[in-house]
Amino acid sequence: TQLLEQSPQFLSIQEGENLTVYCNSSSVFSSLQWYRQEPGEGPVLLVTVVTGGEVKKLKRLTFQFGDARKDSSLHITAAQPGDTGLYLCAGARSQAGTALIFGKGTTLSVSS
Amino acid sequence: DTEVTQTPKHLVMGMTNKKSLKCEQHMGHRAMYWYKQKAKKPPELMFVYSYEKLSINESVPSRFSPECPNSSLLNLHLHALQPEDSALYLCASSRGRANTEAFFGQGTRLTVV
Repeated sequence: TQLLEQSPQFLSIQEGENLTVYCNSSSVFSSLQWYRQEPGEGPVLLVTVVTGGEVKKLKRLTFQFGDARKDSSLHITAAQPGDTGLYLCAGARSQAGTALIFGKGTTLSVSS
Repeated sequence: DTEVTQTPKHLVMGMTNKKSLKCEQHMGHRAMYWYKQKAKKPPELMFVYSYEKLSINESVPSRFSPECPNSSLLNLHLHALQPEDSALYLCASSRGRANTEAFFGQGTRLTVV
């Protein structure tokens, strides 16, 4: 069974602080994705990491894929209130069909 | 057009009602998904359609019945639901095969009374 463990589950910080969210699995994934979801909305894809060791940057967000393709991290620099939301890592499960499965998510609250 | 459109946005139904949720995409995606999401939890996979064929049913109770009339449309028929079925129901689509980068609709907020 391919499971994705995310930590921390909740994070409450002040504007301007840095933070890192982790996504770990005992299974190898061909790729991992990160989504952000705001209340009452569907998740929105932020990035897909494919190559072991890969680093991708999206403005103040930095995503890493572990060398063994079993883990990933999301680092936010100088967090802003607009970063508040649910951050989800997701990977493809290949079992009688291919489907996207999600980690438990990290609820981030950034206060000004 | 990179949108997945879900209707209705909100639905209140009684336990004896029959209703349907609708989802539409015009991105040419060949995989479509239904997810159920409870408050402060991640989306849970319910069904996957690949090339208009049901490929995954995550042991969902038969009171939920999916339908894929064509490559752009996905329905979820609801009958005899329970209050614990109240949740946000999300539709998503992706290119299909190994590409699982998903585009999600805004969801239907379902309340069963």
